[in-house]
Amino acid sequence: GQSLEQPSEVTAVEGAIVQINCTYQTSGFYGLSWYQQHDGGAPTFLSYNALDGLEETGRFSSFLSRSDSYGYLLLQELQMKDSASYFCAVRNTGGFKTIFGAGTRLFVKA
Amino acid sequence: NAGVTQTPKFRILKIGQSMTLQCTQDMNHNYMYWYRQDPGMGLKLIYYSVGAGITDKGEVPNGYNVSRSTTEDFPLRLELAAPSQTSVYFCASMEGGQETQYFGPGTRLLVL
Repeated sequence: GQSLEQPSEVTAVEGAIVQINCTYQTSGFYGLSWYQQHDGGAPTFLSYNALDGLEETGRFSSFLSRSDSYGYLLLQELQMKDSASYFCAVRNTGGFKTIFGAGTRLFVKA
Repeated sequence: NAGVTQTPKFRILKIGQSMTLQCTQDMNHNYMYWYRQDPGMGLKLIYYSVGAGITDKGEVPNGYNVSRSTTEDFPLRLELAAPSQTSVYFCASMEGGQETQYFGPGTRLLVL
C-alpha cells in the first residue's frame, strides 16, 4: 500500500526558514507534490518534484530523494500569511489515484 | 475561467436522506477527483474519473456514487446519509500529463 508521513505541527518565527519533511512508502510513483491550505480554504498547488533534487519557486523550495523515499518543503523568509497546513502527495505510476499525507500545520509567530 | 465550482457550499442532512454534490470545471481537464477532509486531517480520495464515462473507486468509496457523462461535470451522490459522512468535500480537476490538481472551494456537509 501507500503511505505518507509528515509532522503534525511546526512552529517558526516570522522571517525564519522552516523545513517540512515527508517520508513515503509506495511502489513506484511519478513524483512528489506539495499543496498549501489555509483554514477554511481549498488546497492550492505549490510545487512538484519529478526528479531527485531541489526545485525552487520564489520563497518556496521542494526537495526529493527517491533513494531515501523522502522529500521536504522549505519555506524561507517566513511571513504571517504562511500560517497554513501543508500536504505532500504522490500519484502512483500506472494509476490515477493521488494519495495525500495527513498534513503539517505551520504556525508562524511574530 | 471560473476554474472548479462546487454547489452547495453548505448543507445539513438528516440521517437516511440523500443528496448530490455538484462539481463543474471549465478547463477541459480529463481527470477529476472527489475527496473528503475530516477536521484536522488530510484528504481522502473517494472516487476519480479519467474521462467522460470512466470512473473508479478511491480509498473511501463506500456510501457514495459518481457519474461522468460530460468532461465538465462530475457529481457525487450520497445515498442514505450517515453521521460518519459529515465532512468537507472537495472536487478537483487535473490536465492529463500534468501533476497540478485544481480544487473547488468545497462543500461542508453536516449529517444529523
